Amino acid sequence: GQQLNQSPQSMFIQEGEDVSMNCTSSSIFNTWLWYKQEPGEGPVLLIALYKAGELTSNGRLTAQFGITRKDSFLNISASIPSDVGIYFCAGLTSGTYKYIFGTGTRLKVLA
Amino acid sequence: DTAVSQTPKYLVTQMGNDKSIKCEQNLGHDTMYWYKQDSKKFLKIMFSYNNKELIINETVPNRFSPKSPDKAHLNLHINSLELGDSAVYFCASSPDTLPAHGYTFGSGTRLTVV
Repeated sequence: GQQLNQSPQSMFIQEGEDVSMNCTSSSIFNTWLWYKQEPGEGPVLLIALYKAGELTSNGRLTAQFGITRKDSFLNISASIPSDVGIYFCAGLTSGTYKYIFGTGTRLKVLA
Repeated sequence: DTAVSQTPKYLVTQMGNDKSIKCEQNLGHDTMYWYKQDSKKFLKIMFSYNNKELIINETVPNRFSPKSPDKAHLNLHINSLELGDSAVYFCASSPDTLPAHGYTFGSGTRLTVV
């Protein structure tokens, strides 16, 4: 079935550094979402993308809908300790009613 | 008020038992979902209901039976629990069947089968 691979799987960074992660698939998607999950909580929506090439920001977070529609990218600028968590991408294909979630990128920020 | 609330938060039970997890949303959404998150944090959809009607039923053992008494509630009943059922179960909701704006998730129920 469809699978979304996220890279990197995990990352340890220093506070203040910028972070980049991506999500790739062999399938085309019409909508990309980025979620963040903190320990003991459910995923929380960060950014939604609806058009190829679209670039959307939410504070220090910026996400892009890849031109090929098979990938998406998330950047976090000037990371802070509360950015710690697991970041998931999720894609929705045409004619389906369910999102496929990526494998997740675990982010740890060292103060 | 919590938008999507699940109970219980933690559930420890023995193999072979039957258990239920409850979910309620106060967002006025029409569609609700159950997702399972395994030990590797992979999220997989199990079921989806729109206004009390089942619309997604993934390949899930028939020991799992969802029930939606009204559009604000979606419960999950699990019969004859097995060790492999241990996971975190998330309830979620969206305004309609085509979740263009994504889901709102509950905080999860950690099920441990011993």
